[in-house]
Amino acid sequence: GESVGLHLPTLSVQEGDNSIINCAYSNSASDYFIWYKQESGKGPQFIIDIRSNMDKRQGQRVTVLLNKTVKHLSLQIAATQPGDSAVYFCAPTGTASKLTFGTGTRLQVTL
Amino acid sequence: GAVVSQHPSWVICKSGTSVKIECRSLDFQATTMFWYRQFPKQSLMLMATSNEGSKATYEQGVEKDKFLINHASLTLSTLTVTSAHPEDSSFYICSAKEIARYEQYFGPGTRLTVT
Repeated sequence: GESVGLHLPTLSVQEGDNSIINCAYSNSASDYFIWYKQESGKGPQFIIDIRSNMDKRQGQRVTVLLNKTVKHLSLQIAATQPGDSAVYFCAPTGTASKLTFGTGTRLQVTL
Repeated sequence: GAVVSQHPSWVICKSGTSVKIECRSLDFQATTMFWYRQFPKQSLMLMATSNEGSKATYEQGVEKDKFLINHASLTLSTLTVTSAHPEDSSFYICSAKEIARYEQYFGPGTRLTVT
């Protein structure tokens, strides 16, 4: 089945710096990708999505990059804030509508 | 928009009893809802997919007689944990999506503790 992995299980970033969270996926049939943020004791929160016909999408302080050739996604957070501390998941999906969650990356923002 | 609620947010029950968890889409019609469980410091594990008016589809290894799922309306799905045991203690999270859309929106989760 699908395997989704993250390159860095824990990422420590100083407040104000930019964060980059990476994600590799294996199923080339995935055509839609979502990044979620999960704070402790809460459900995942939708951050940004990207379709497979795009290679970049920007939101407020966040940018997602998609490289289908190497099956790699990244989430960039500009000017990281303490409130960004959480676990981040990338979740590829396709026509089956199921999301595949990897292990997640914990982002720690230091002051 | 795209708000999903869950009730209760936490519940403690005795071993052998049943517990019902509700998942509601508040501002959209959820043709499909998903139920996940999550153990501490682990990722979300999909338990089942339910389409409004149809029987739920369970993932491999999930006992359908133990985890009863009902999706009777476009805004409500319920998960009933029957004859709960301490090993069923977990964080249960639902998500919902509209027809023809990929985005899934998650509820805040329900922490179940079975004593």
